[in-house]
Formats: sequence, C-alpha cells, structure tokens
Amino acid sequence: DAKTTQPNSMESNEEEPVHLPCNHSTISGTDYIHWYRQLPSQGPEYVIHGLTSNVNNRMASLAIAEDRKSSTLILHRATLRDAAVYYCILRDVRTNAGKSTFGDGTTLTVKP
Amino acid sequence: NAGVTQTPKFQVLKTGQSMTLQCAQDMNHEYMSWYRQDPGMGLRLIHYSVGAGITDQGEVPNGYNVSRSTTEDFPLRLLSAAPSQTSVYFCASSYGRGIFSYEQYFGPGTRLTVT
Repeated sequence: DAKTTQPNSMESNEEEPVHLPCNHSTISGTDYIHWYRQLPSQGPEYVIHGLTSNVNNRMASLAIAEDRKSSTLILHRATLRDAAVYYCILRDVRTNAGKSTFGDGTTLTVKP
Repeated sequence: NAGVTQTPKFQVLKTGQSMTLQCAQDMNHEYMSWYRQDPGMGLRLIHYSVGAGITDQGEVPNGYNVSRSTTEDFPLRLLSAAPSQTSVYFCASSYGRGIFSYEQYFGPGTRLTVT
C-alpha cells in the first residue's frame, strides 16, 4: 500500500470544526482512502472511507482532492470524546483490510 | 454479537517464557490480523490470515507464530518472550476482499510486559 503523511498533532476547541489533513502523493487508481481513530486505551475504530468523491457519514466527512493526492477528515463539531489518534490509510481495493498498514497518525487534542 | 474478544487483558512474562494470546470473533469474518503497538507509535502488522488454514506474515513476524484452525479463532504464540516484545497487541477481523472489506473490527487489546 502507498504511504501517507499526517501531522503529528493538532488542537481544536470544543464545538468547533476540525480539519485533519493527509497527504498521499503516490496513491494509485485502485487505492481507497480510509480513516480510523483510536481513543485512549482502546483499539482503533473505523471512521470513514472513500475513493474519489467526498463522503459523509454520522461520524465525519471526508473531502478528497481532485487529483486524489491529499484528503481531509472533517469533524463538524468537535467534542471532548473526539480526542484520539486519527489514522489515514490507503488500501488497494484488491486487498483486504486485514493487511492495512497504520502509520503514526495525528493526535487530536480537544480543549473545552 | 460480542465482536472481537481478546484474552488476557494484561500479562507479565519473564524473558524466555512462552505464551499464547487468544483472539476470537463471532462475525464469521474471513480475515483476521494481529498488530502490535509500541508506546506512542502506530500499529504494525505481525501476521494475518485470509481464512481457516491460511496464514501469512506481516511487517514484524519474527518471534511470533500463528495458526487458524477455525474461522472464529486466531491465536498468537510468543515462542520465547523478549523485552523487545513488550507492547500492546491488537487482534482485528474483517470481511472478504474488495469493496465490502473496508472495515476492520478491533479487539480491546492485550497489554504484555516482558521483564
């Protein structure tokens, strides 16, 4: 799977939107973009994924650049419960999620 | 559904001891994986399985063995524990390949300390 680059850490105020960036300049045409998050002392949990178009679900939105070389996870109103490490992962659609490679992610701090 | 369960939650081993970390899932997932997470770092893939009887190595397989005799269970064996294996171990499972396999379900983790 191609590599991703994320900032080590970001801060946000509670109830404000958060934009978490991810660069993936070597993405291939069959790579999906996945986001997971890991709350303190828990296993990672799936957040959202997409291929080309922007995606929304109950947890977040995913904005994908037109050239697909970068993407942004958007939390519309951060809460204290959103403080976690966020991982951006690329996975070839021909492989299974079970082979995913996780980088170091972005640690999000939410201030009250 | 219980999802992905792992036992034990905590374990302390002496150098050279062996043990098995247990992982089970009740979602009939084909794929199961083991990851380790060292303090302040991301997850690294140890071994994975694409179905009963089939396993393969990930990024950091040395010192670990796996087997998959049933769809539900995927135990991880430490052959001779070393302090470098002190870590949190996560088991995960997911559906088959393709567009329906986008989500991995993770267990709560096993925190292992080797002294």
